[in-house]
Amino acid sequence: GQSLEQPSEVTAVEGAIVQINCTYQTSGFYGLSWYQQHDGGAPTFLSYNALDGLEETGRFSSFLSRSDSYGYLLLQELQMKDSASYFCAVEDSSASKIIFGSGTRLSIRP
Amino acid sequence: ETGVTQTPRHLVMGMTNKKSLKCEQHLGHNAMYWYKQSAKKPLELMFVYSLEERVENNSVPSRFSPECPNSSHLFLHLHTLQPEDSALYLCASSQVGKATEAFFGQGTRLTVV
Repeated sequence: GQSLEQPSEVTAVEGAIVQINCTYQTSGFYGLSWYQQHDGGAPTFLSYNALDGLEETGRFSSFLSRSDSYGYLLLQELQMKDSASYFCAVEDSSASKIIFGSGTRLSIRP
Repeated sequence: ETGVTQTPRHLVMGMTNKKSLKCEQHLGHNAMYWYKQSAKKPLELMFVYSLEERVENNSVPSRFSPECPNSSHLFLHLHTLQPEDSALYLCASSQVGKATEAFFGQGTRLTVV
C-alpha cells in the first residue's frame, strides 16, 4: 500500500534545532513536500524536494534521499511561533494521488 | 491572509439540509482541490480540477458534489450528510502538475447535527 510515516509529536526548546522525519512508501514518486499548519489556520507550503540533497530556505531546510524513501524537515533557531503541525506530502506518480502524512505536532518550550 | 478564500468559515447543518461551500483563488492558478481534514487523520484529497475539468474523484460519496465554473472558483455542494462528515474542508490551488506545491484556504469547519 501507499503510506507516509512521521512522528506524531516533537518537543524542542526555543533557540534549538529540531528535525522532523518522514518515510514514504509509494509505487511511484515525483517529490516530497512539507507544509506548516498552525491551530485554526490553513496549511502553508514550506518546501519541495524532487532531487536528493538538502534545500535551504532561511531557518528551514528540507532533505530528500530517494534511495532510502526518506526525507526530513530541519528547523533551526527555533522560535515560539514555530509551534505548529508539520505535514509531509508525496505525489505518487503512478497513481496520480497526493498522499499526506498524519502530521507532526511541534511544541516549543521557552 | 492567503490568495485562496473560503466561505463560510463555519457551518452547522442538519442531515437533511443542502448547503454549498465556496472557494475563490486570486493566484492565477489552473488547478483546484478539495481536501477533508479530520482530527488525528491525514489530509484526504477529495476532488481535483485541472483546467476546469474534474480529473480525480477519490471514491467520495455522492452526497458531496463539486462544481468548478471557472479556474478561479470552486464549490462543494453538500446534501444529506452524516455526522461523520463533520470535519474541516480545505480548498487549495496550484499550477497544473504542481499539486504538492499548493496554496490552501483557511477552510470551512463543518458540523453535521
